[in-house]
Amino acid sequence: ETGVTQTPRHLVMGMTNKKSLKCEQHLGHNAMYWYKQSAKKPLELMFVYSLEERVENNSVPSRFSPECPNSSHLFLHLHTLQPEDSALYLCASSQQRYDTDTQYFGPGTRLTVL
Amino acid sequence: GDSVTQMEGPVTLSEEACLTINCTYTATGYPSLFWYVQYPGEGLQLLLKATKADDKGSNKGFEATYRKETTSFHLEKGSVQVSDSAVYFCALKTQGGSEKLVFGKGTKLTVNP
Repeated sequence: ETGVTQTPRHLVMGMTNKKSLKCEQHLGHNAMYWYKQSAKKPLELMFVYSLEERVENNSVPSRFSPECPNSSHLFLHLHTLQPEDSALYLCASSQQRYDTDTQYFGPGTRLTVL
Repeated sequence: GDSVTQMEGPVTLSEEACLTINCTYTATGYPSLFWYVQYPGEGLQLLLKATKADDKGSNKGFEATYRKETTSFHLEKGSVQVSDSAVYFCALKTQGGSEKLVFGKGTKLTVNP
């Protein structure tokens, strides 16, 4: 399988649950990203990893916890979320940090928090 | 801070109609400008870009010209197809410092047969 894959594609969770989103890229890229896409709001960059090191954290609440165990995998651990966290969470990767020419997005995980 | 404003959707057109989606930006310095497209159930894809004033980006029949004097980067297509139905995002990236992408809110386009 090629490109950027995300699992699960849909997730419904209660506010007390703990869940994780997974992203995997098969492109040999060195940078990976988490974005949040909410209805009628601009796409928000949440986290950036470069060579498995977190290089950016855009004031994201601590109930979102990223993990990048290697350059091919990126996780977003979720706990005690709020209904306003319901959104489409997009993963992306690029050859180098902020290299838009090589940036590929995954299809996203549609998260609903009840 | 840097920002992108694009026209509110949704936009509904008939096949072969002309399309314009307006995009204006506010940025310090000289940004690069982008249009991304998100087809149903898929992630964003880079559609076209322009890196300096008066550059024209083009791809798949879509065009956009970097207008520094009006700080605009409007997306145009002369004849849309049903397969163009998607959400379109305008974005900018400033040079130097934090080079992350700043996106607009997106405009949903539906093309009917």
